Amino acid sequence: DSGVTQTPKHLITATGQRVTLRCSPRSGDLSVYWYQQSLDQGLQFLIQYYNGEERAKGNILERFSAQQFPDLHSELNLSSLELGDSALYFCASRGGGPPYEQYFGPGTRLTVT
Amino acid sequence: GQQLNQSPQSMFIQEGEDVSMNCTSSSIFNTWLWYKQDPGEGPVLLIALYKAGELTSNGRLTAQFGITRKDSFLNISASIPSDVGIYFCAGHSNSGYALNFGKGTSLLVTP
Repeated sequence: DSGVTQTPKHLITATGQRVTLRCSPRSGDLSVYWYQQSLDQGLQFLIQYYNGEERAKGNILERFSAQQFPDLHSELNLSSLELGDSALYFCASRGGGPPYEQYFGPGTRLTVT
Repeated sequence: GQQLNQSPQSMFIQEGEDVSMNCTSSSIFNTWLWYKQDPGEGPVLLIALYKAGELTSNGRLTAQFGITRKDSFLNISASIPSDVGIYFCAGHSNSGYALNFGKGTSLLVTP
């Protein structure tokens, strides 16, 4: 158990809909990272938050957004969903200083039909 | 993100054999991490490397941070059936510490 929690475990929704994925980092970790894992693209970095502020953006679509709340949990919002958004979504957390290791949650499997 | 080339793509070995996989980057990394992922689960951190030339072990696993800082390898000795899974290399060059991942090495171990 990495100490990172994600809900829900599975999500099935229709094209055009909007969903919210939730992540709680390990106790004391200030950084949260979101990654998308698909069969063709592998694990891709989406976005990072540190102590409530956006720090880095990767290959995140404009239809996707995220935020980190004062209690440090984070939410990833996916809107106008398309079939190609079906994937595993992971969040990972890291402490404020070294070591710079990221610990992953169990993931949310999103299926868009 | 930066491209990581991980090889081999898959390995099918017998229990007791040693395994070696490696990862190369087109640019310099400051940290190399190796993860294992079981189907439907999140990646689990196996080994972290922070210095060029560093050699680190975790049980039967040994990993090294290449001298050029553009490569890393992972060895598994005396493989057992529970080593089955997908192994990923990952690294970053400090830009927010977001990880770049290899495509993974799928390991199958037969008893």
